[in-house]
Amino acid sequence: ELKVEQNPLFLSMQEGKNYTIYCNYSTTSDRLYWYRQDPGKSLESLFVLLSNGAVKQEGRLMASLDTKARLSTLHITAAVHDLSATYFCAVDIISGTSGSRLTFGEGTQLTVNP
Amino acid sequence: DAGVTQSPTHLIKTRGQQVTLRCSPKSGHDTVSWYQQALGQGPQFIFQYYEEEERQRGNFPDRFSGHQYPNYSSELNVNALLLGDSALYLCASSLVAARSGYTFGSGTRLTVV
Repeated sequence: ELKVEQNPLFLSMQEGKNYTIYCNYSTTSDRLYWYRQDPGKSLESLFVLLSNGAVKQEGRLMASLDTKARLSTLHITAAVHDLSATYFCAVDIISGTSGSRLTFGEGTQLTVNP
Repeated sequence: DAGVTQSPTHLIKTRGQQVTLRCSPKSGHDTVSWYQQALGQGPQFIFQYYEEEERQRGNFPDRFSGHQYPNYSSELNVNALLLGDSALYLCASSLVAARSGYTFGSGTRLTVV
C-alpha cells in the first residue's frame, strides 16, 4: 500500500523567512502534485512534477522531485502572509486501462506571521 | 470554460439516511474521481469512473456507490449514513490516464447528525 508522508505537519514562520516542506512516498509513482487548500475551500493545483530532477517555480514557491529517493520538496522563499494555507502533496499512480488515483499526504498547515 | 461543478454545496442529513452528491466535469474531461476529506486530514480516494464504469476503488465500504452518465457527469451515493461520513466530498475530473492532470470542484460539505 502506497504511503505518503509530509513533514512538518504544522509550520509557523515569520514573513521574509525561507522554509522547506518534505514529502516522502513509499513506491514508484507516475506523477507528483502539490496542492494548496484554504480553510473551507477546495484544492488549488500548484505544481505537477513528472520526472526525476524536475523543478518548477511559481513566485515564492519552488517544487522539486527526486524519484530515486522518493522525495519531493516544496521550498518557500521570503514567505508572505498570503501563503498561509494547508499544502498537500499527492502521488498519482496510473494503472493503464484500470484508471488512476491520487494518494495524498496528511498536509502541512502553514501559518506566516508578520 | 466551466470548471468542475458540484451540488449541493452543503447538506445536513440524519444517521441512517441516504444521500446523493452530483458532479459535472470540466468541459472536455471524460473521467471523474471522488474523494472524501475529513476535517484536518488529506483527501481519501473513493472511486473513479470512466466510460460509465468504476475503474478503481479505494478502501470504502459498499455503502458508497457511484454512477457516471453518458455526458460524463457523475453521482456519489452513500447509504445508511454514519456520523463518521461527515466530511467534504470532492469531485475531480480529468482525461483518461490523467494526461492533463486533475481539476477539482469546490466540494460538498456533508454533515451527518
